[in-house]
Amino acid sequence: DIQMTQSPSSLSASVGDRVTITCRASQDISKYLAWFQQKPGKAPKSLIYAASSLQSGVPGKFSGSGSGTEFSLTISSLQPEDFATYYCLQYRSYPPTFGQGTRLEIE
Amino acid sequence: EVQLLESGGGLVQPGGSLRLSCVASGFTFSTYAMSWVRQVPGKGLEWVSSFRSYDGSTFYADSVKGRFTISRDNSKNTLFLQMNSLGAEDTAIYYCATERYCSGDSCHWDHYLDFWGQGTLVTVSS
Repeated sequence: DIQMTQSPSSLSASVGDRVTITCRASQDISKYLAWFQQKPGKAPKSLIYAASSLQSGVPGKFSGSGSGTEFSLTISSLQPEDFATYYCLQYRSYPPTFGQGTRLEIE
Repeated sequence: EVQLLESGGGLVQPGGSLRLSCVASGFTFSTYAMSWVRQVPGKGLEWVSSFRSYDGSTFYADSVKGRFTISRDNSKNTLFLQMNSLGAEDTAIYYCATERYCSGDSCHWDHYLDFWGQGTLVTVSS
């Protein structure tokens, strides 16, 4: 199985900050990488697919980059509604595997 | 608007069975591969199973293989997950999600798990 190592596991930031979360795959997954946002008590929400494509309706403050084994999610100009947990997911091969998650908290 | 509505969760004793359902609307259900993903409350996400629409292929996580069965009824726009021999480790919120759009004999590679239901909680306890 492909392992996804996500870092950091938690992150404190302030409103207006820009933050970056990274995911590393244990083998080449090309661009088969998605990012999700999850708020407490809610289902995950798709933000990015194919490593860098923005999901419809998602604001442009979210951006994804990378290919192969190294990927990142950047969130610019943090607003209170952005504080949540973020997950990466590889879907290059079954079983699809998630990163451990990054909890983004208000500093 | 895409909607996925799961049901069937609840409290079940160890060794018991449960059948989850996910009713879909707002898209052509038969053209999508569908998945189940679970989450222990307060923990991370774990993919459970997928059903590829165009050829009927099914896929399972090792942790549920041989105990869970995924199926679908395209005439009723419904995805199912039959769960047998349940253990405490299966306690989780179970989400259904659209996996990929498939047409002809292949699936689009890029979009993945675009839409999710609200989840249904399964608790395995005596």
